[in-house]
Amino acid sequence: EAAVTQSPRNKVTVTGGNVTLSCRQTNSHNYMYWYRQDTGHGLRLIHYSYGAGNLQIGDVPDGYKATRTTQEDFFLLLELASPSQTSLYFCASSERGDNQAPLFGEGTRLSVL
Amino acid sequence: AQKVTQTQTSISVMEKTTVTMDCVYETQDSSYFLFWYKQTASGEIVFLIRQDSYKKENATVGHYSLNFQKPKSSIGLIITATQIEDSAVYFCAMREGNSGTYQRFGTGTKLQVVP
Repeated sequence: EAAVTQSPRNKVTVTGGNVTLSCRQTNSHNYMYWYRQDTGHGLRLIHYSYGAGNLQIGDVPDGYKATRTTQEDFFLLLELASPSQTSLYFCASSERGDNQAPLFGEGTRLSVL
Repeated sequence: AQKVTQTQTSISVMEKTTVTMDCVYETQDSSYFLFWYKQTASGEIVFLIRQDSYKKENATVGHYSLNFQKPKSSIGLIITATQIEDSAVYFCAMREGNSGTYQRFGTGTKLQVVP
């Protein structure tokens, strides 16, 4: 069964803290994405990747790094977390192709105090 | 530049009626793909339906259908015979075919279906 799994599901950190959000997909998809969701903004793309070792920036990349270590695993790194990064984060994966709808993970709620 | 706009913040309808949610988009590409998603109260995001820009026929899946008005850059989602479990936030998204590599989303419309 196709799946995108995120961990942790909830995370609380302090300003200036280091956070890593993990995402694993078992769908053999080439594309993986990290979105953040905020009230009034919908879903905004942070980073995405075509495949292992590839990284592309999205619309709101500032303050975030990402790394795609394997076909299955995509990580989002916040090295100096700030309160403005408090958000709901979604990972997604999709097949190659412009008409492919991404499959979303369950989301990670991050609070930066 | 690619942009997706949903102006309806929230809608409330009676169960078993039909509802239409609006979405307008901006693109310079001649080829693009339009998507609608549903986000449930638990946060789960589920793909519902897609419209390809080169297709004249409106897409239909189950009790979801689209009203694609290309000259107006509009893609409305129509839900017929609404049910309580249709209560959710609905997102419109677009991906350009010639130059786009990811989808951009609208801000969402919260639908409440009441008995």
